[in-house]
Amino acid sequence: AQSVTQPDIHITVSEGASLELRCNYSYGATPYLFWYVQSPGQGLQLLLKYFSGDTLVQGIKGFEAEFKRSQSSFNLRKPSVHWSDAAEYFCAVRAGNTPLVFGKGTRLSVIA
Amino acid sequence: NAGVTQTPKFRVLKTGQSMTLLCAQDMNHEYMYWYRQDPGMGLRLIHYSVGEGTTAKGEVPDGYNVSRLKKQNFLLGLESAAPSQTSVYFCASRARTATDTQYFGPGTRLTVL
Repeated sequence: AQSVTQPDIHITVSEGASLELRCNYSYGATPYLFWYVQSPGQGLQLLLKYFSGDTLVQGIKGFEAEFKRSQSSFNLRKPSVHWSDAAEYFCAVRAGNTPLVFGKGTRLSVIA
Repeated sequence: NAGVTQTPKFRVLKTGQSMTLLCAQDMNHEYMYWYRQDPGMGLRLIHYSVGEGTTAKGEVPDGYNVSRLKKQNFLLGLESAAPSQTSVYFCASRARTATDTQYFGPGTRLTVL
C-alpha cells in the first residue's frame, strides 16, 4: 500500500522568502501525486497535481512542485511567500483509481 | 453548481447518541469518500463508495456505517458516538477517471461529550 511522509510538521518563513515543503511517498510504481492547501477552518483546495509527463508542474497561487522518481519525492515550492499563504499543506498520493492517501500535513506560518 | 456540500456544519453529541452526516454532490461523480481529520494525523479514510449501492471500508471504519442509496448522496452514520469520534469530517467526490480531481466539502465539526 502507498504511504506519504511530510517530514516537517511546522515551518515558519518570512514574507517574501522562498518556500519548499517536502513530501516523500512509498509506492512501487509511479503514483498520482497531489498537493492540497487548507486555510484555518476551511476545506481542502487542490494546488496542483502530477500524473505523468513533465516532472515540474505548475499550480495555482504561484506554487510549483517537482516529481523526482529517484528520490520518491514531490516537493512543493514557491519563490516568494505572501502572508496569505499561511495555512496547512497536505501531500497526497493515489495509485490508479484507489482512494487518496494523505500525509500528516505541514503547517506554514508566515512572519513579517 | 454547489459542488460538494455537507450537513450539518457543527454538531455536539453526548456519548452513546447517534447521528447521520449527509454529503451531497451535484457533479454526477461516481466516487465518494468520507475522511476524518484530527490534529497531527492528516486526513484518514473512513469509508468510500465507487458507485450507487456500493460501499467499502477505509483505514479507520470502526464505529461508522455508510450508505449510498442515491448517486449524489453519501451518508455517514454513527450508531453510538464515543469521545474518540470527536473530529472534523470531510466528504469528497470525484469522477470515475483516475486523473480527475477530487473535490472536498467544507467539513463537519463534531464534538462528542
